[in-house]
Amino acid sequence: AQKVTQAQTEISVVEKEDVTLDCVYETRDTTYYLFWYKQPPSGELVFLIRRNSFDEQNEISGRYSWNFQKSTSSFNFTITASQVVDSAVYFCALSAPNSGYSTLTFGKGTMLLVSP
Amino acid sequence: AAGVIQSPRHLIKEKRETATLKCYPIPRHDTVYWYQQGPGQDPQFLISFYEKMQSDKGSIPDRFSAQQFSDYHSELNMSSLELGDSALYFCASSSTYNNTGELFFGEGSRLTVL
Repeated sequence: AQKVTQAQTEISVVEKEDVTLDCVYETRDTTYYLFWYKQPPSGELVFLIRRNSFDEQNEISGRYSWNFQKSTSSFNFTITASQVVDSAVYFCALSAPNSGYSTLTFGKGTMLLVSP
Repeated sequence: AAGVIQSPRHLIKEKRETATLKCYPIPRHDTVYWYQQGPGQDPQFLISFYEKMQSDKGSIPDRFSAQQFSDYHSELNMSSLELGDSALYFCASSSTYNNTGELFFGEGSRLTVL
């Protein structure tokens, strides 16, 4: 069974602060993928990043960065210099492709509120 | 690039009515997934289809059924609607031939049951 835990249900920051969203996962599969999605108030799921289990390199994309640590089964997401437009619900998700297709398991999500 | 198309985007139904949601996957994607996201909840996996056959089943109620057609589009049929069925329904697609583990999501269909 797979499980994704996002312990932070809601985080409030002031613009320009840095913020880290935590994600801890559980899986027995040796090959798996981790994802982060952003869901703004409009409702669509916006893909942010995919990381496979064999690639532990951290990644930076603009103000976003991700820290994947297999030893602690964590895949944390940091937004640097947050902006109001970053306000959304962020989901961490896990898939362990078997036979070619993948079912995503989502965490409960973290609502990020960035105030001016 | 073509994305996953869902229709309708919004749907309002009365209790005990029936609703049908449609999903058109990305061209050459052979697998379709349905997810249900209740208010304030995370998306929950309902069901998936690979090459028109059910490939996996999640927490889909017996009142719901789904299928994938020969053109790979999928329909989710919901009968005897209940207030609790009000949710955002996402369809996603992927390709087993180019399996990166990523699901490509549509924009969702918002069902409101009154």
